[in-house]
Amino acid sequence: DGGITQSPKYLFRKEGQNVTLSCEQNLNHDAMYWYRQDPGQGLRLIYYSQIVNDFQKGDIAEGYSVSREKKESFPLTVTSAQKNPTAFYLCASSRDTSSSYEQYFGPGTRLTVT
Amino acid sequence: EDQVTQSPEALRLQEGESSSLNCSYTVSGLRGLFWYRQDPGKGPEFLFTLYSAGEEKEKERLKATLTKKESFLHITAPKPEDSATYLCAVPSNQAGTALIFGKGTTLSVSS
Repeated sequence: DGGITQSPKYLFRKEGQNVTLSCEQNLNHDAMYWYRQDPGQGLRLIYYSQIVNDFQKGDIAEGYSVSREKKESFPLTVTSAQKNPTAFYLCASSRDTSSSYEQYFGPGTRLTVT
Repeated sequence: EDQVTQSPEALRLQEGESSSLNCSYTVSGLRGLFWYRQDPGKGPEFLFTLYSAGEEKEKERLKATLTKKESFLHITAPKPEDSATYLCAVPSNQAGTALIFGKGTTLSVSS
């Protein structure tokens, strides 16, 4: 089955530690995205990538980093510089970068930092 | 600034009681409007894309419509399994094909 996988589902870290969230897709989609969701809030864009080896900052990129070395993979690193890292993180992908195609989401990773 | 606003924030219905959710947007050159359903603790599930005013899409008890300034998600004779948060989104003009999301409407349907 084609889809997007995120791992782990739950992640606990101590303050001051970097942590990397995994996102893999087998939909052959060109574009991939990371969003953050806080309680009662909509999804906010962290980073996006429209092609391998290229990515762009979204609205709330500070304290995060990404890489896009393969079409299928778009890992997100939450660094110690992110002031409020506890949140639900969602990865998505879409088919084309020249038009507005719908995005498909993974199941999410819930990160708790204490 | 591109913006998406959804109302109401929460909606409680009795089973069979039809209603509508609203999504208003301010974006120049609309390149589509997207509706998603999100269950607690899960990723959003794609429902519909609407591209032009007057367009309608249906899926089971849900029908989405689009005007030049807003979209409605009509729920006809809802069932408890329709309980979820419904999200509306439009493509950003500042971030390629990334989406700008509203905060969602949380629908609760009781039997």
